[in-house]
Amino acid sequence: SQQGEEDPQALSIQEGENATMNCSYKTSINNLQWYRQNSGRGLVHLILIRSNEREKHSGRLRVTLDTSKKSSSLLITASRAADTASYFCATDYNTGNQFYFGTGTSLTVIP
Amino acid sequence: DAGVIQSPRHEVTEMGQEVTLRCKPISGHDYLFWYRQTMMRGLELLIYFNNNVPIDDSGMPEDRFSAKMPNASFSTLKIQPSEPRDSAVYFCASSFISQETQYFGPGTRLLVL
Repeated sequence: SQQGEEDPQALSIQEGENATMNCSYKTSINNLQWYRQNSGRGLVHLILIRSNEREKHSGRLRVTLDTSKKSSSLLITASRAADTASYFCATDYNTGNQFYFGTGTSLTVIP
Repeated sequence: DAGVIQSPRHEVTEMGQEVTLRCKPISGHDYLFWYRQTMMRGLELLIYFNNNVPIDDSGMPEDRFSAKMPNASFSTLKIQPSEPRDSAVYFCASSFISQETQYFGPGTRLLVL
């Protein structure tokens, strides 16, 4: 499969704590994206990091990319109950125009 | 812009019936993607279009599935005949550039009895 794999599959934390989730992939990429999906809703784009970038920030989100290890991490700082959702990484793979989505990490933030 | 619009939001049908899902992409986006999401298989790309032309339909599971994009503002995904294993949430997404941000619709939750 060309899908990325997120780790952990599920994560439960207290409000205010930081949440870290990881994504591993298999082949070379042009860029990697992170998406959020609230229950019963469509996916929402969070952040895009290109293969020549190592770190990117957006508000409380911090994404890192290690192309040598073929992995990325998403850090959500000072988590809120509203951050409860599933988080997916998506990788384009140089072979085509489409994205392959990972299996997702289900994050629960306890108020 | 209203975002990607999908209809219907929910569909319940009986095995053997034809199902048609509809999508209106964001105006100006020239890529349109159809995905299927299930607990077992996650999010799978079924087919995508560029400028209304199907580019890759290798994800379409069977000949029972077909997709069209007659113009830049409308696409359909048809299942004929439907089977219980087709039950899933079907998402449509559009983007301006193929490898950039995709904007997802709210999805159509399909249940085939």
